Amino acid sequence: EAGVAQSPRYKIIEKRQSVAFWCNPISGHATLYWYQQILGQGPKLLIQFQNNGVVDDSQLPKDRFSAERLKGVDSTLKIQPAKLEDSAVYLCASSTWRERSDEQFFGPGTRLTVL
Amino acid sequence: GENVEQHPSTLSVQEGDSAVIKCTYSDSASNYFPWYKQELGKGPQLIIDIRSNVGEKKDQRIAVTLNKTAKHFSLHITETQPEDSAVYFCAASFNPGANNLFFGTGTRLTVIP
Repeated sequence: EAGVAQSPRYKIIEKRQSVAFWCNPISGHATLYWYQQILGQGPKLLIQFQNNGVVDDSQLPKDRFSAERLKGVDSTLKIQPAKLEDSAVYLCASSTWRERSDEQFFGPGTRLTVL
Repeated sequence: GENVEQHPSTLSVQEGDSAVIKCTYSDSASNYFPWYKQELGKGPQLIIDIRSNVGEKKDQRIAVTLNKTAKHFSLHITETQPEDSAVYFCAASFNPGANNLFFGTGTRLTVIP
């Protein structure tokens, strides 16, 4: 089974520029998560989708971050404009919506550097 | 919300020795506790998990224990090997199929050959 795909793997931008990340979850996984992992810290949830609806976006800085999941499959996360403190690895994860199915599968992440 | 603390932040052991990583959580409603291994340049990968109705779970060289009363859980790796070297994260969640994971700050384990 193919894993969670993310692109690009690396991105370097200057502050105030815009950037977008793409995620393709495991086929059939209804739940999709975007996490932000700052260097030396654990991942922190930004937004969670169930199919194409938002379940939790309480930690998403909505003045600059946006995300969508068209047709309940692929998802994009956008930052506009970027700040220095947005430098981090952005991880996408997916899981099935089934009781007793607990595992979240993570993609390799996109490493963002804001200069 | 949930707060997960993890110790130690770094751990070095000789090959063949055991390694123990400890975590505490704050929300008594949390009922799912996974451990993830993250290698350089990769996303976290689940290595073992435990639900709150179980006190201990073992999978070959890896075991996890859970003390619900004290709200702490631990990862035990026996007979460590160099390939065990990585960053390990504990996490906690309530109803993990729907809710997100709250991660600890990570432990960098180095196994010295």
